[in-house]
Amino acid sequence: DIQMTQSPSSLPASLGDRVTITCRASQDIGNYLRWFQQKPGKSPRLMIYGATNLAAGVPSRFSGSRSGSDYSLTISSLESEDMADYYCLQSKESPLTFGSGTKLEIK
Amino acid sequence: QVQLKESGPGLVQPSQTLSLTCTVSGFSLTSYSVHWVRQHSGKSLEWMGRMWSDGDTSYNSAFTSRLSISRDTSKSQVFLKMNSLQTEDTGTYYCARNADYWGQGVMVTVSS
Repeated sequence: DIQMTQSPSSLPASLGDRVTITCRASQDIGNYLRWFQQKPGKSPRLMIYGATNLAAGVPSRFSGSRSGSDYSLTISSLESEDMADYYCLQSKESPLTFGSGTKLEIK
Repeated sequence: QVQLKESGPGLVQPSQTLSLTCTVSGFSLTSYSVHWVRQHSGKSLEWMGRMWSDGDTSYNSAFTSRLSISRDTSKSQVFLKMNSLQTEDTGTYYCARNADYWGQGVMVTVSS
């Protein structure tokens, strides 16, 4: 199975900060990488697909990038509504696998 | 618009079978795959399997032969059945269209 190693597990940050979350794939997954945001008691919301494409309705302060087997989600200027858990997902091959999650919280 | 809604029992006894239904609207099951994903409380997400648009299925081997996914296209429903439930199967179960649009989830507790 493809392992997705996500870091950090917790990220304290201040409003207006630029923050980056990373997932490293254990095998080649090309651009079959998605990022999800999940708020307490809610279902995951797609933020980025194809590693770099912004999903519909997602603010432009979110962006995705890839460098080799490392995939990053960046928020350019943190807003209070961005405080949530974030997960990456590889959909290159079954079983699909998620990262362990990053809890983004106010410092 | 695209909607998915999970339904099923909130409480299941150990060793029994879990049966969940995902009712979809706004798209056809013959055009999109539907996935099942589980989340233990406060934990990460675990992909369980999917129903492909052509009716084929894929499963996470972690669930060995306990898991079965089927569908009724006339009712726009996808079903999950998992047997031999244990307390560690407690969690929230989601269905998702192509892993992009997600249902609200259904919480399942395995307890006697």
